[in-house]
Amino acid sequence: DAKTTQPPSMDCAEGRAANLPCNHSTISGNEYVYWYRQIHSQGPQYIIHGLKNNETNEMASLIITEDRKSSTLILPHATLRDTAVYYCIVRAFSGNTPLVFGKGTRLSVIA
Amino acid sequence: DAGITQSPRHKVTETGTPVTLRCHQTENHRYMYWYRQDPGHGLRLIHYSYGVKDTDKGEVSDGYSVSRSKTEDFLLTLESATSSQTSVYFCAIRIAGTGELFFGEGSRLTVL
Repeated sequence: DAKTTQPPSMDCAEGRAANLPCNHSTISGNEYVYWYRQIHSQGPQYIIHGLKNNETNEMASLIITEDRKSSTLILPHATLRDTAVYYCIVRAFSGNTPLVFGKGTRLSVIA
Repeated sequence: DAGITQSPRHKVTETGTPVTLRCHQTENHRYMYWYRQDPGHGLRLIHYSYGVKDTDKGEVSDGYSVSRSKTEDFLLTLESATSSQTSVYFCAIRIAGTGELFFGEGSRLTVL
């Protein structure tokens, strides 16, 4: 079973920041938080990952709480093309443990 | 682009026939994965490989077998396809250094 909890759906107005929460209260010390998204029927796309520090790249920012039990993915200026299912996953960085996807959050960006 | 291709992209077959899906990569990634995706279930891991001839089962491996005789190819076989195996199948590779997965475009299988 997935070790994360996400709301099933969220709406966001175009141009506004989209803040997607994820709860991972049982995360282990060596586990990273990964975010992926899946647009319509395409394969999932990697967005960002982090261990304990906040991370930012050209797509998004990842805010991880100090106790690492939850995180928030931030899309700073959502566009219609950001409408997708967003998956939050925790796993160890190395080793054979594969990514196990939950059901994610369906984000709808509204014009 | 991690150089990953899946074939066939679309296939229609009949119950009881064998089916093999191929995942091919060109960049010598060690880890490869097969997932299936169905409405209401999200992505579920079928099998994965962590090297040539090294494979392991995922959460929904029943009815599927895999083989990896060389680094670049990871084959998923349905020995006797059933209608419950109608799905979209995604292959993925893991990028060394970041741990991110890069997914193929998917193979849509319909079993009649």
